[in-house]
Amino acid sequence: GDSVTQMEGPVTLSEEAFLTINCTYTATGYPSLFWYVQYPGEGLQLLLKATKADDKGSNKGFEATYRKETTSFHLEKGSVQVSDSAVYFCALSDLGGYQKVTFGTGTKLQVIP
Amino acid sequence: NAGVTQTPKFRILKIGQSMTLQCTQDMNHNYMYWYRQDPGMGLKLIYYSVGAGITDKGEVPNGYNVSRSTTEDFPLRLELAAPSQTSVYFCASSNARREHNEQFFGPGTRLTVL
Repeated sequence: GDSVTQMEGPVTLSEEAFLTINCTYTATGYPSLFWYVQYPGEGLQLLLKATKADDKGSNKGFEATYRKETTSFHLEKGSVQVSDSAVYFCALSDLGGYQKVTFGTGTKLQVIP
Repeated sequence: NAGVTQTPKFRILKIGQSMTLQCTQDMNHNYMYWYRQDPGMGLKLIYYSVGAGITDKGEVPNGYNVSRSTTEDFPLRLELAAPSQTSVYFCASSNARREHNEQFFGPGTRLTVL
């Protein structure tokens, strides 16, 4: 079945540092890929997405590129802020059936001033 | 648009008690989902619905029931609460007419069973 593996946290960075959170996936078809973010005490919200190979999703300074050859969708940001402290989930969605979404286990990011 | 709303935000139950977690969305989405989130475990799908009157089991349905009498509402019922059901519960919805399944989440219900 489909699966998503992302790096374990927590990740602690100083403000303005470069961020990479690794995500790899296993899927039988051609899924869409997502990054969701969960701020403390809130539900998940979509951060960015990519729907086909070589697509780059971007939002709020975050980027991720759909790499089919390495089955990866790594999240990057050039300069993190304290307000980016949250839990980040990588996810994939197939297009059949009930449009199941498979989530990774989440990576907690803490940015310190 | 309020999006997806959930009530209550917090609840403490005793073993064997029952309760209903409420979920409502105002985006006219066909698909609705219930997940539970345990620490370090990501999200597990409990039940889902593809439209009013249609529900089906997800990965971890035991101990739960759902109904979908309207497009807007998708309540989750716990009949005999057990400590293993201590978790944070999220309701989500999506629009099946969109090609790629972005899900919209509610703020969650934190449930403790003692």
